[in-house]
Amino acid sequence: GAGVSQTPSNKVTEKGKYVELRCDPISGHTALYWYRQSLGQGPEFLIYFQGTGAADDSGLPNDRFFAVRPEGSVSTLKIQRTERGDSAVYLCASSSATSGGASHHEQFFGPGTRLTVL
Amino acid sequence: AQKITQTQPGMFVQEKEAVTLDCTYDTSDPSYGLFWYKQPSSGEMIFLIYQGSYDQQNATEGRYSLNFQKARKSANLVISASQLGDSAMYFCAMKGAGGTSYGKLTFGQGTILTVHP
Repeated sequence: GAGVSQTPSNKVTEKGKYVELRCDPISGHTALYWYRQSLGQGPEFLIYFQGTGAADDSGLPNDRFFAVRPEGSVSTLKIQRTERGDSAVYLCASSSATSGGASHHEQFFGPGTRLTVL
Repeated sequence: AQKITQTQPGMFVQEKEAVTLDCTYDTSDPSYGLFWYKQPSSGEMIFLIYQGSYDQQNATEGRYSLNFQKARKSANLVISASQLGDSAMYFCAMKGAGGTSYGKLTFGQGTILTVHP
């Protein structure tokens, strides 16, 4: 079956512009995660959804960042007034369940969107 | 709060040899999961292996095994019989049990593995 897809694969924008990044999770996966990966670093958590609701948005760096998942499937990460420091690869992942601790529900990652803010 | 530490920025190994990639973690959660992911130069994150904190035996998946030492809070990845295609960045990650760590992964800084022919 199809994996997680993300569009666009690359996005170049100018400082101050608005961008939207889209994530299409694996069909039937209820949990969806957004991470940000800067060059040479590990991914950092931004937000996760269980169904349509944002269960944890503690990783969003500031109020310029917002994400939605209106029908519990596709999600859009929105960044307003982009800054050069927002340049990174934005990764989306989905999982068949949101469960913590020792339960094995691996997250399947998409190929990422490389955002460059000039 | 959870923390993953990978102290090896880069590792080199000869083809067909075994290599160990180090990972230590810190958490106050009594229940947690540890993951290893591979990220080739193409950028996708590939799941390799999982270890639950209550698992009695070390996890194995083909050429990958996880050396889990709970008392030392370490979860090292062992790759046996290295292949050229193993050259990539490797990330150790943890998933917590509750509170703000519930469900999300916390990643280490990564280790770049280079396999020489």
